[in-house]
Amino acid sequence: KAGVTQTPRYLIKTRGQQVTLSCSPISGHRSVSWYQQTPGQGLQFLFEYFSETQRNKGNFPGRFSGRQFSNSRSEMNVSTLELGDSALYLCASSATGVGDNEQFFGPGTRLTVL
Amino acid sequence: SQQGEEDPQALSIQEGENATMNCSYKTSINNLQWYRQNSGRGLVHLILIRSNEREKHSGRLRVTLDTSKKSSSLLITASRAADTASYFCATDAGSGYSTLTFGKGTMLLVSP
Repeated sequence: KAGVTQTPRYLIKTRGQQVTLSCSPISGHRSVSWYQQTPGQGLQFLFEYFSETQRNKGNFPGRFSGRQFSNSRSEMNVSTLELGDSALYLCASSATGVGDNEQFFGPGTRLTVL
Repeated sequence: SQQGEEDPQALSIQEGENATMNCSYKTSINNLQWYRQNSGRGLVHLILIRSNEREKHSGRLRVTLDTSKKSSSLLITASRAADTASYFCATDAGSGYSTLTFGKGTMLLVSP
């Protein structure tokens, strides 16, 4: 089975721009979660989607949004980029989205905001 | 916000030695998981221990959980250079969703 894939792997944007990151979960997995990792704040939960519905959301401003498609692929969008949005964005998929399920992480998208 | 803290923040040992990392958390949990991350890449799931379990083994890994102290430890025995990575504990509060709260991690360096 192919693992979780994320595209692009690296991205450089300037302040004020917007960006869309993509995540393809493991085949058959219906839950996709997104996390932001920075040196200062560590790994922080952004949101989780299951069957195209956002079920849970972390403490991030409305500039961060996401969606999930019928094939379980997910995208996250950050509008009006700020320097502090520079981070590694990780997505994870799990079969059912229940807490006891192992989550499989993708390699991440490293976003640099200049 | 961070649920827990790992201790130590960094650990440097020689190959063959054992490495112990500790994790403390703040609220009640459904389970606690340990992940490894190599050099800013994706996270690899190592082991999951449920709140009603006290100890779990997987290969060279041994995890303990003390819910009364809200703490967990990860022991890697007979460390190898390939174990060099950052190790994170993550807690699931039992919301029913796949929402993990991570600690800040322990950076482990295993020298040949």
